[in-house]
Amino acid sequence: GENVEQHPSTLSVQEGDSAVIKCTYSDSASNYFPWYKQELGKRPQLIIDIRSNVGEKKDQRIAVTLNKTAKHFSLHITETQPEDSAVYFCAAGLSSGGSYIPTFGRGTSLIVHP
Amino acid sequence: SAVISQKPSRDICQRGTSLTIQCQVDSQVTMMFWYRQQPGQSLTLIATANQGSEATYESGFVIDKFPISRPNLTFSTLTVSNMSPEDSSIYLCSVEGVAETNTGELFFGEGSRLTVL
Repeated sequence: GENVEQHPSTLSVQEGDSAVIKCTYSDSASNYFPWYKQELGKRPQLIIDIRSNVGEKKDQRIAVTLNKTAKHFSLHITETQPEDSAVYFCAAGLSSGGSYIPTFGRGTSLIVHP
Repeated sequence: SAVISQKPSRDICQRGTSLTIQCQVDSQVTMMFWYRQQPGQSLTLIATANQGSEATYESGFVIDKFPISRPNLTFSTLTVSNMSPEDSSIYLCSVEGVAETNTGELFFGEGSRLTVL
C-alpha cells in the first residue's frame, strides 16, 4: 500500500516568512495529492490539492509542487500570518473515478510568531 | 460540499464500556469513512462503510472492536467496544465530495473526542 512521509513534524517561523512542508510517497500509481489544514480543536479542511498531470498549483499565498519522478510534493506558504498556525497534513492516493481513499502523512505543526 | 454532523462531540467513558458515535450527512453518499486521530497524531482510517453491505476494515482494526452500521445513504454509526485507555482518541467521520464529478476532497465531521478512564 501507499506510504507517505511528511517533514518537518514542527515548523516555527516569524510572521511574514515563508514556510515549506515536504512529503514523499511510495506508490507511483498515486495521482491525487491534497493538503489539509487542521486548526486546534477543529476538523481538517482541504486547502489545496494537485493531480499528477500538473507540476505546480497556486492559490494566493499557498502553492503546491509535485515531482512525480522523485515521488515528492511540497506545500509552500508565503507571507505567513498568525492565522496560518495549524497542523497541516499531506495525503496521497489513487483517484480513479471511484472513491478516493488517501494515505495521510503524520502532520506538520506550523507555528507563526507575530 | 457536504455538511457532516457528528455526536457526541466528546465523552468520558469508563474502561470496559462501549460508546456509539453517530454521523449524519446532509446529502446522500455512497461511502462514509471512519478515522481515528490519536493525540498529536495523523489520521488513521479505521473502516469504510457502504450502505447495504458490511464495512471494510483496515489492517489493525476489527469488526468486534469497532462495529459499524450504515442503514441508509446519509447516516452511519461507529461503536467503540469494551473500551480501554488506549482507545482515548478523536474519532472522525468523513465523506468524499458529493459533486457530480468526485474531486477526491474529503469532508470531515467535527470529531468525537473520547477519553477512557
